[in-house]
Amino acid sequence: GEDVEQSLFLSVREGDSSVINCTYTDSSSTYLYWYKQEPGAGLQLLTYIFSNMDMKQDQRLTVLLNKKDKHLSLRIADTQTGDSAIYFCAESKEDTDKLIFGTGTRLQVFP
Amino acid sequence: DSGVTQTPKHLITATGQRVTLRCSPRSGDLSVYWYQQSLDQGLQFLIQYYNGEERAKGNILERFSAQQFPDLHSELNLSSLELGDSALYFCASSVGEMRETQYFGPGTRLLVL
Repeated sequence: GEDVEQSLFLSVREGDSSVINCTYTDSSSTYLYWYKQEPGAGLQLLTYIFSNMDMKQDQRLTVLLNKKDKHLSLRIADTQTGDSAIYFCAESKEDTDKLIFGTGTRLQVFP
Repeated sequence: DSGVTQTPKHLITATGQRVTLRCSPRSGDLSVYWYQQSLDQGLQFLIQYYNGEERAKGNILERFSAQQFPDLHSELNLSSLELGDSALYFCASSVGEMRETQYFGPGTRLLVL
């Protein structure tokens, strides 16, 4: 199957950590991505992880991949109001370059 | 700014009409992808071109077609438009053909009345 699932909403206080979760069903996925979409804007690539990695850290962002459970998470440290957006996880597979997107998680950061 | 440009930014048209959306990839990128974002379907892959040739096809309707020109820009043609075609259409580009990171343009918002 090609379902990628995410929870719809997440609300956090400014300065706290945010954890956005994603589950996918296809074990042949090779790359997994996180994109950010701000209101009225396009998709901004945040980070990606190759399927043979467990973790990737990039400044305030930490990606964890549990391939056995087909679970991907994005942790944003010290969340700021500017992080408020919709976050999409996406997978791509070895035999095709199309991205399969999750439903998106709307992150709201309040002061 | 991803380096991918799309025109127009907004488009309002009527049912039954035909529109053309344009995309210019990042400098040096050979692949162009089209995606549709709608409230009910989410983000869906439509089609991919690599160096002028169609490479992969997704959930693209027969009323829709695309092409990539020798200068690598791409156009998505939507015809016999229906209300349900109202959506945000994204173009993305990547350097190569497979397993390359895709960078997205700002999108074209289409409203069919």
